Amino acid sequence: GNSVTQMEGPVTLSEEAFLTINCTYTATGYPSLFWYVQYPGEGLQLLLKATKADDKGSNKGFEATYRKETTSFHLEKGSVQVSDSAVYFCALSVSSGTYKYIFGTGTRLKVLA
Amino acid sequence: EAGVVQSPRYKIIEKKQPVAFWCNPISGHNTLYWYLQNLGQGPELLIRYENEEAVDDSQLPKDRFSAERLKGVDSTLKIQPAELGDSAVYLCASSSGTTHNEQFFGPGTRLTVL
Repeated sequence: GNSVTQMEGPVTLSEEAFLTINCTYTATGYPSLFWYVQYPGEGLQLLLKATKADDKGSNKGFEATYRKETTSFHLEKGSVQVSDSAVYFCALSVSSGTYKYIFGTGTRLKVLA
Repeated sequence: EAGVVQSPRYKIIEKKQPVAFWCNPISGHNTLYWYLQNLGQGPELLIRYENEEAVDDSQLPKDRFSAERLKGVDSTLKIQPAELGDSAVYLCASSSGTTHNEQFFGPGTRLTVL
């Protein structure tokens, strides 16, 4: 079946530190991959996406590369800020006549000033 | 452009009581989703609508949960009767036919069943 596995949190970093949040997936066919972010009290927002192998999604300094050979989509940012503190969800969607999303369990990031 | 609107934002009820959540998707989005998000978990799909038709309700516990989207716009999710284990955040999301790869989420309704 289809599934997403994320590294467990919480992840606590100092401001300007390098961030990596690991995400691996299992899917039939050719999924699209996503990172969503959820700030406190808000709904999920799309952070970035990649729709095919070797694509790199990027937004707000965050990047993730669709690696088919390792079935991974790790999220990275070179220098985190306090405002990046949130919960990050890795997700995939597969199309079999419909677009069904499978979400990971989320990784909480806390950035300290 | 307004985002996905959900109400209420918070609801506290006694077990065995009924409860309803309302969602208004982004204008023009024909696909609407209801998700359940337990604490510390990712969202799990309950039901997906294409216009007014429920095309995927395989994860909806039909003995106590029901949903409707009568005119293919806003939607209501109901639980009757509520159980302690239903305490969670209920998220609504929508997408359009041209952006099926991106879902837009509302802020959610946090339900507490006492």
